[in-house]
Amino acid sequence: DGGITQSPKYLFRKEGQNVTLSCEQNLNHDAMYWYRQDPGQGLRLIYYSQIVNDFQKGDIAEGYSVSREKKESFPLTVTSAQKNPTAFYLCASSILPGQGRTEAFFGQGTRLTVV
Amino acid sequence: GQQVMQIPQYQHVQEGEDFTTYCNSSTTLSNIQWYKQRPGGHPVFLIQLVKSGEVKKQKRLTFQFGEAKKNSSLHITATQTTDVGTYFCAGQVASGTYKYIFGTGTRLKVLA
Repeated sequence: DGGITQSPKYLFRKEGQNVTLSCEQNLNHDAMYWYRQDPGQGLRLIYYSQIVNDFQKGDIAEGYSVSREKKESFPLTVTSAQKNPTAFYLCASSILPGQGRTEAFFGQGTRLTVV
Repeated sequence: GQQVMQIPQYQHVQEGEDFTTYCNSSTTLSNIQWYKQRPGGHPVFLIQLVKSGEVKKQKRLTFQFGEAKKNSSLHITATQTTDVGTYFCAGQVASGTYKYIFGTGTRLKVLA
């Protein structure tokens, strides 16, 4: 059963702690993305990756880090440097432009709360 | 920077009324996609438009891509309670990147 899986669904973090959000896909997609969504807001791009061991900053990368050691996996670390990390985090994947319809498949999301 | 704005931000309609959301980009887009996010859920792909002036229909939903490829619209005819959610457009800028810029979204509530 193909799809994209995010874990955990809910995460609580104390101020000053780093936390890593997991994202795994078995769709054989080259591109992967991390978005942040705040209540009543749109999706803002944090990081994206086209290929293993390569990734680019999105519009709000400060305070976040990523890795892409495997095609299937794109974990996001929310560091203590992120001033306001409480949000809904969405991971997505897609094929690359030029290979067909590039719709993004989203995971179920991780809701992070800083306590 | 590149921006994609959507209007309105919120829309409440009576069941059976029509609904339209508009998406405007500050730059020319190579293509545009539309997504629907149900309350508490994640965005789900609806459609992709590629050609200038393109119009596509999915049952009660009509999607348009502007001639200049900088704006788009989604029109729902005779809304139903199942249409409730937030509708996002996402534009791929025509610069050879594979990055999509999501619009701010329009939250639709349908009153029975």
